[in-house]
Amino acid sequence: TVMTQSPDTLSVSPGGRATLSCRASRSVRTNLAWYQGKPGQPPTLLIYDSSARATGVSDRFSGTGSDTDFTLSISNLQSADFGIYYCQQYNDWPFISFGPGTRVDV
Amino acid sequence: QLQLQESGPRLVTPSETLSLTCTVSGGSVNSEVDYWGWIRQPPGKEMEWLGTVYYTGTSYINPSLPNRVTVSVGPATNQFSLTLSPLTGADTATYYCARADTESDPVFDLWGPGILVTVSS
Repeated sequence: TVMTQSPDTLSVSPGGRATLSCRASRSVRTNLAWYQGKPGQPPTLLIYDSSARATGVSDRFSGTGSDTDFTLSISNLQSADFGIYYCQQYNDWPFISFGPGTRVDV
Repeated sequence: QLQLQESGPRLVTPSETLSLTCTVSGGSVNSEVDYWGWIRQPPGKEMEWLGTVYYTGTSYINPSLPNRVTVSVGPATNQFSLTLSPLTGADTATYYCARADTESDPVFDLWGPGILVTVSS
């Protein structure tokens, strides 16, 4: 399953809202996760099952969607939120695939 | 508290074999609910899943890397390993090991810090 993400880059002001999109080439039901990546650090799990927040993740992060179209929304953007966000399907577990990422910039 | 740490060479020669080990501290790979995976990210490029292994030794490999990747448990009870060959410059990447706890959804919720491996002569 091929994952695509849009936009490639999103520029948002601190305090603003970011909306990121992820599309699967075929239905993955709700077996979709979102990760945050930062330079020099491993990815951090944010969302799984399309909309469930991982332990310790702020409620400013919310995920929606099913089948082929998914959205990650980040409200009240903080400086720590800037980075690259990846979606990943696990409907074909253990054969998983990642999207190319969306960079969220100031 | 479970932690993962990758180890291995940081500079390898083209055409040779890369061997990396992930050490699980605070736990063991002998868990019925955990799967252990390898993911890499070339500089400035996308993340790529390489393979996943279960404590029984059953492994799953990315079909886009046929006959190049092996993932296995061991050599110690708290370790699992990756081998990749033959190497080319395109294999230069940060390699991550990670854990998926399948008691809930099978997602990689715990990652090692990563090891940057450069393939160059």
